[in-house]
Order: sequence, then C-alpha cells, then structure tokens
Amino acid sequence: DQQVKQNSPSLSVQEGRISILNCDYTNSMFDYFLWYKKYPAEGPTFLISISSIKDKNEDGRFTVFLNKSAKHLSLHIVPSQPGDSAVYFCAASEVTSGTYKYIFGTGTRLKVLA
Amino acid sequence: DAMVIQNPRYQVTQFGKPVTLSCSQTLNHNVMYWYQQKSSQAPKLLFHYYDKDFNNEADTPDNFQSRRPNTSFCFLDIRSPGLGDAAMYLCATSAGAAPDTQYFGPGTRLTVL
Repeated sequence: DQQVKQNSPSLSVQEGRISILNCDYTNSMFDYFLWYKKYPAEGPTFLISISSIKDKNEDGRFTVFLNKSAKHLSLHIVPSQPGDSAVYFCAASEVTSGTYKYIFGTGTRLKVLA
Repeated sequence: DAMVIQNPRYQVTQFGKPVTLSCSQTLNHNVMYWYQQKSSQAPKLLFHYYDKDFNNEADTPDNFQSRRPNTSFCFLDIRSPGLGDAAMYLCATSAGAAPDTQYFGPGTRLTVL
C-alpha cells in the first residue's frame, strides 16, 4: 500500500506558465516533506522542503504548499522553464528509532515546452 | 564541493555472481541509505546506517547486505544477483538531525545477464 502517491505520471506545460505537481499521503505521522528533481542518469537532487508546522515554503520560482487536513502537498513552479523538464519526486518522512526515514512517490515527469 | 559519490556508475554482472557497489561521502553525515529504484517506480529503501548502527527494512531480501567501515564509505553487497535485481541503486546521506534532508549520489545502474 503506497503511503505517498503522485497520481499524475506526466505533465506538460508551456514555457512561462505555472507548473503544479501534486502529491498525496496517507500517514498522518509524516512531519517533513521534500521535493526532489531527477534528470536522466543522475541521482535525485533536493529542491525544496516543508515542515508539517508550516503550510507554505518558497524558494525563488518554487513554492511548496501543504494541506495537512487533506494530506496533500503541491509544488508550484512559476514561471516554468525548459530546464525544469525532469522527473519530480515527493517524499515524506517520519522519525523511526531516532532516524528519519523517507517514503517516496513514484514521480511525475514534467515537460516544459518552449 | 561536498558530495555523495557512487562507483561504478554502471555495473554489469552475471546471474548469481556476487557484486559490490560503493558509496562515499564528503558531507560527514551520520546517516547513509541505500535505495533500489526500478523503472517508473519510487525509490525503495533497502537499509540505512546511523553511524555504525545498521537498520534493515523488513522486506529487504537476505541477498542484500551492507557494510559501513567508516563514516565516509558504505557498500552494498548483492550475494547472488537475480534478474529481478537489475535496477538503479541510489546511495543517500543525511545529517540525522531535524530538519533532515537527504542528499543523493548519481546512482549505479546494475545490469544482470
């Protein structure tokens, strides 16, 4: 049973527009959420995170929103650029035996069209 | 630059022939993780080390073992690779303190013939 779900396997957006990537989770014990970006043949690169005590975190063109009651988070990219084309993973973590463990979604492939 | 390094980037082995993948880090992080990722799937945690304390996931097959001889290095040993073990293997590190962010290496693509 997947605890972290990214229901859209792919998304295409025109350059300059907003990209919205969604992620749902089931475990209310998750307290820290991260977004990673992955290019082909590379490891995931950390993009932005949000703690469960916040509902929004912004870093340049990237904003993550957290709706705890809905167990939903989203990543907004504004404006989208062709270099943003990649697979985006959301991940959720909880502390288990003193260590943060991460559960990943299956990813959303974003294609930004020039 | 501080980083997570994985060697080799591509590894080909034969069915049943033991293989070792390596990971090193210059971040001086306490925690090192190994993930398996198959095509179009989420990275799946195999195990992790907090310092020298080894933590195995319940569903990680016995065929997979790990060693962490020091803070900087961690190895993934696959004792008898099967065709189903072909995947990307990702190493990650984290400081182990809240808030905690994982940093990934580039991965090793394992092919089993």
